[in-house]
Amino acid sequence: EVQLVESGGGLIQPGGSLRLSCAASGFTVSSNYMSWVRQAPGKGLEWVSVIYSGGSTYYADSVKGRFTISRDNSKNTLYLQMNSLRAEDTAVYYCARDLLLGWFDPWGQGTLVTVSS
Amino acid sequence: QSALTQPASVSGSPGQSITISCTGTSSDVGGYNYVSWYQQHPGKAPKLMIYEVSNRPSGVSNRFSGSKSGNTASLTISGLQAEDEADYYCSSYTSSSSVVFGGGTKLTVL
Repeated sequence: EVQLVESGGGLIQPGGSLRLSCAASGFTVSSNYMSWVRQAPGKGLEWVSVIYSGGSTYYADSVKGRFTISRDNSKNTLYLQMNSLRAEDTAVYYCARDLLLGWFDPWGQGTLVTVSS
Repeated sequence: QSALTQPASVSGSPGQSITISCTGTSSDVGGYNYVSWYQQHPGKAPKLMIYEVSNRPSGVSNRFSGSKSGNTASLTISGLQAEDEADYYCSSYTSSSSVVFGGGTKLTVL
């Protein structure tokens, strides 16, 4: 079964750092495009970042320079390193396999990040 | 990148058909056939319903269909059922090598 499980969310103070993990099963992370998508409480979906199978990475303007997407092929796991966190980064963060330029399937269950003092 | 434009809400009675529009620009919806649609029930992760404008993943009911004309994509749900009540989001690949979502549409089945 193809599955994604996120972890690493929690409460963090503004300016702090957090690393999210997304463990995959049923497929190989390094052979696929993988994305992070977030959803602020009561709001819509916002694409955050993608890492291509070849290693190229792209980011939304709202997180560029603060967030870094990466993967560990030996652990079949995707990561999102989030630095200089702001209140507006508060959201449920989902990882998703990106089958082809924005075709996300499946999605993980999400992990909540709350940035607050 | 500005969000794609969707109506905030639509409604229909069981058995009826509804259509949700998703308007972008020539840099996203109009420029690529990489438009997807997602269904999200409260407290749940989004679920892919349509990819590449009009293709249905295995397991998705054929009551769901997608299309595109110019800079506007559309999702049509026919034979509305109570379980279709959810939020629906469109997305598109963009010329900036990013993905943009619509603001979401709340579907109410009356």
